[in-house]
Amino acid sequence: AQTVTQSQPEMSVQEAETVTLSCTYDTSESDYYLFWYKQPPSRQMILVIRQEAYKQQNATENRFSVNFQKAAKSFSLKISDSQLGDAAMYFCAYRSAVTSYDKVIFGPGTSLSVIP
Amino acid sequence: DAGVIQSPRHEVTEMGQEVTLRCKPISGHNSLFWYRQTMMRGLELLIYFNNNVPIDDSGMPEDRFSAKMPNASFSTLKIQPSEPRDSAVYFCASSSLRGGNTEAFFGQGTRLTVV
Repeated sequence: AQTVTQSQPEMSVQEAETVTLSCTYDTSESDYYLFWYKQPPSRQMILVIRQEAYKQQNATENRFSVNFQKAAKSFSLKISDSQLGDAAMYFCAYRSAVTSYDKVIFGPGTSLSVIP
Repeated sequence: DAGVIQSPRHEVTEMGQEVTLRCKPISGHNSLFWYRQTMMRGLELLIYFNNNVPIDDSGMPEDRFSAKMPNASFSTLKIQPSEPRDSAVYFCASSSLRGGNTEAFFGQGTRLTVV
């Protein structure tokens, strides 16, 4: 069974600085998708960024980028120029690309604080 | 599309009562997920449907929990009888592997309090 691990329960970053959140996963599949979600205090789950496993190029979305290391099964999120609005819980998630068994599995989350 | 719609947003019930949570997925999505979120256990996948068929219910904690998806536009999660330890936020999410969007789209969640 697939599992997702986030080893940092809490992180903090100074405003305007850069922070990296870690995620590792375990799977025997070769084709899958990885995601980072943000959950602010409003509890809404918001997609931050996605990565297709077959793509070697790391995904980027404005200030958010990932470091995808397929062999190491690592998928870290880098937030540049951190803003107060980035404070939230961040969840790493895995999804199989096998249609009909494509459940989405989440890690335990990392609580990010942004210090003014 | 209005997104994934869950009802109610908040539910307070007494121990022993039946609770039914409702979800309307995004039109055209063929996968539906029910998650439970608590401080202690994080975001747990309870059950997953594909094309209205339950594929994996290994996350359903006890027989008191049941879920149905009678058609592509509606799903329910029922707890009977409810217990205080069932208090949590319950999320419904839907998705499709077709097209470019592969992520799960979440509803606003139902905050359940069992007293």
